[in-house]
Amino acid sequence: AQRVTQPEKLLSVFKGAPVELKCNYSYSGSPELFWYVQYSRQRLQLLLRHISRESIKGFTADLNKGETSFHLKKPFAQEEDSAMYYCAPYTGTASKLTFGTGTRLQVTL
Amino acid sequence: DSGVTQTPKHLITATGQRVTLRCSPRSGDLSVYWYQQSLDQGLQFLIQYYNGEERAKGNILERFSAQQFPDLHSELNLSSLELGDSALYFCASTSGQMNTEAFFGQGTRLTVV
Repeated sequence: AQRVTQPEKLLSVFKGAPVELKCNYSYSGSPELFWYVQYSRQRLQLLLRHISRESIKGFTADLNKGETSFHLKKPFAQEEDSAMYYCAPYTGTASKLTFGTGTRLQVTL
Repeated sequence: DSGVTQTPKHLITATGQRVTLRCSPRSGDLSVYWYQQSLDQGLQFLIQYYNGEERAKGNILERFSAQQFPDLHSELNLSSLELGDSALYFCASTSGQMNTEAFFGQGTRLTVV
């Protein structure tokens, strides 16, 4: 069965500390992978996508096909990074955009 | 502004009632997704339509149904409402192609009392 797992519901870090939000997926084929972010009282929005290999707001994500993981990382957390983060594998054949359960990142001073 | 419009923003209704949530996708997007977001459940995929046809189904209850109209707007119908149906309901639209970004609406907050 297709599954995406974000093992941490809440991740609390100090400002300036490194951040790693974990995402593991179990999908047949090769899904495309996205991270979405939801800031307080705002709509979900795309943070980054694997295929672009981009860095947005200092975040990067590395696809590890062997471990089937797509962890989101940032070397130095900022207060404004506090939000809900969702990992989202997308499989064109199933046409499903499924989200993980999300991880709430809390950056404190 | 994502270009995706959801109405109403808030809805309060009693148990046993029926409500309709509406979503207008971004101009040019053919695919519409519906999600339910509860406090402890994260973002649950309900159903997806592509150009008027149902494309994928998630954990959608039989009491819930949806459709996409020729003008591509979509409606999610929730009937025989229960207290547990209280949640934020989001819709998102994409062009339907892989690797494209999904654009989300602001959501409809449904409260069942």
